[in-house]
Amino acid sequence: KAGVTQTPRYLIKTRGQQVTLSCSPISGHRSVSWYQQTPGQGLQFLFEYFSETQRNKGNFPGRFSGRQFSNSRSEMNVSTLELGDSALYLCASRVRAGNTEAFFGQGTRLTVV
Amino acid sequence: GESVGLHLPTLSVQEGDNSIINCAYSNSASDYFIWYKQESGKGPQFIIDIRSNMDKRQGQRVTVLLNKTVKHLSLQIAATQPGDSAVYFCAENMAVYNQGGKLIFGQGTELSVKP
Repeated sequence: KAGVTQTPRYLIKTRGQQVTLSCSPISGHRSVSWYQQTPGQGLQFLFEYFSETQRNKGNFPGRFSGRQFSNSRSEMNVSTLELGDSALYLCASRVRAGNTEAFFGQGTRLTVV
Repeated sequence: GESVGLHLPTLSVQEGDNSIINCAYSNSASDYFIWYKQESGKGPQFIIDIRSNMDKRQGQRVTVLLNKTVKHLSLQIAATQPGDSAVYFCAENMAVYNQGGKLIFGQGTELSVKP
């Protein structure tokens, strides 16, 4: 069974641009959550999607958004990139929303210059 | 400006010894806990989990202990090996009624295994 797949693995963008990251969860998993990991703040929750609906949101500005498709694949978008958005963006896959095992992908390393 | 990284606690052990990594969690309502291992350049890897109605769970070479009274979680690794060297994170699942849950992560502990 394939694991969680995130694309692309690495990305370099210029301040002010926007970016879209993609996550394909484990087959059969319907919940996808996104996390930001930085040396300064550690791992922080961005949002969770289940059945194409955002179920939960962390404390990030509105520039961070996401969506989920009917096949459970998810995308997150960051608009008007700032230098501080440079981070490892991780996607976690769960069978369903709630207290179940969460499996992470390898992440997308975003660098904003 | 220069970013200041989190100062991760470090645990250094000799190969073959047992390791104990501790974690304090914040929310009494958290119902589920997970330990992850993260190696450099990789995503967090699921190690073991425990639900709030349990106080101990064992896996292969790993044991998780949960003390809800003091909101404390620990991960014990038996016969630690060089391949266990990584950063270990505890995560608590904060359930939101009918809206899934979010994982709140600890700052992590860096485990270094000396051969």
